Amino acid sequence: DQQVKQNSPSLSVQEGRISILNCDYTNSMFDYFLWYKKYPAEGPTFLISISSIKDKNEDGRFTVFLNKSAKHLSLHIVPSQPGDSAVYFCAAGRSRGNQFYFGTGTSLTVIP
Amino acid sequence: DSGVTQTPKHLITATGQRVTLRCSPRSGDLSVYWYQQSLDQGLQFLIQYYNGEERAKGNILERFSAQQFPDLHSELNLSSLELGDSALYFCASSAWTHSEAFFGQGTRLTVV
Repeated sequence: DQQVKQNSPSLSVQEGRISILNCDYTNSMFDYFLWYKKYPAEGPTFLISISSIKDKNEDGRFTVFLNKSAKHLSLHIVPSQPGDSAVYFCAAGRSRGNQFYFGTGTSLTVIP
Repeated sequence: DSGVTQTPKHLITATGQRVTLRCSPRSGDLSVYWYQQSLDQGLQFLIQYYNGEERAKGNILERFSAQQFPDLHSELNLSSLELGDSALYFCASSAWTHSEAFFGQGTRLTVV
C-alpha cells in the first residue's frame, strides 16, 4: 500500500522557469514531510522539510507547500537551473514515528 | 559527502547465496535506516535501528536481517538470494528517530 504517491514520473522544464513537483499522501496522521533530491549513482540528499503546523516553508529557490485538507504537498523550484535535474522524492511520516514513507520519485529535467 | 559510508558499492552474486552490506552512520547519529530501491520503485523502508535496538520494521523479507553494533555501525544480511533481490540498498542515519536522515551512496546488488 503506497502511502505516499508521486504521480508524475517525469517533468521537463525550461531553464529559468518554475518547476512544480507534486506529492500526495493518504495517512492523515502524517505530520512531517520532506523532499530529497537524488543524482545518479548517489544517495538521496535532504532538500527541505515542512511540519504540519505550517503550510509553507521556503529555502532559497525551493519552497514547499502543504495542503493538509487535500493531503497534498508540492515543491516549487524558482528559477529552475540545469543543475536541478535529478530525481526528487517526497517523504512523509509522523514526527513521533520511526519511519518515513517515500514516494516513487519524479525525474526533473531542466532544459538549458 | 553525507558522512554515511556504505560498503561495498557494488556486489554481484549468484542466486541462493548470502551477502552482508555494511553501513557506518554519521558521527554521533544513533539511528540507522535501511531502504531498498528496485527498478522504477521508490525507496522501500526495510528496517530501523536506534542505538543498537530495532525500532521499526517495514517491508523486510524473512530472508533479510539486520543489526546495529555497539559502535553504531549496521549490517544488512541478505540470504537465499533471488533474482528479484537485485536492487540498490541504501543506508541512512539521523541523530534521533524523527529528524532528517542522511543517506549513503548505496550498494548496488546484482543477483545473477
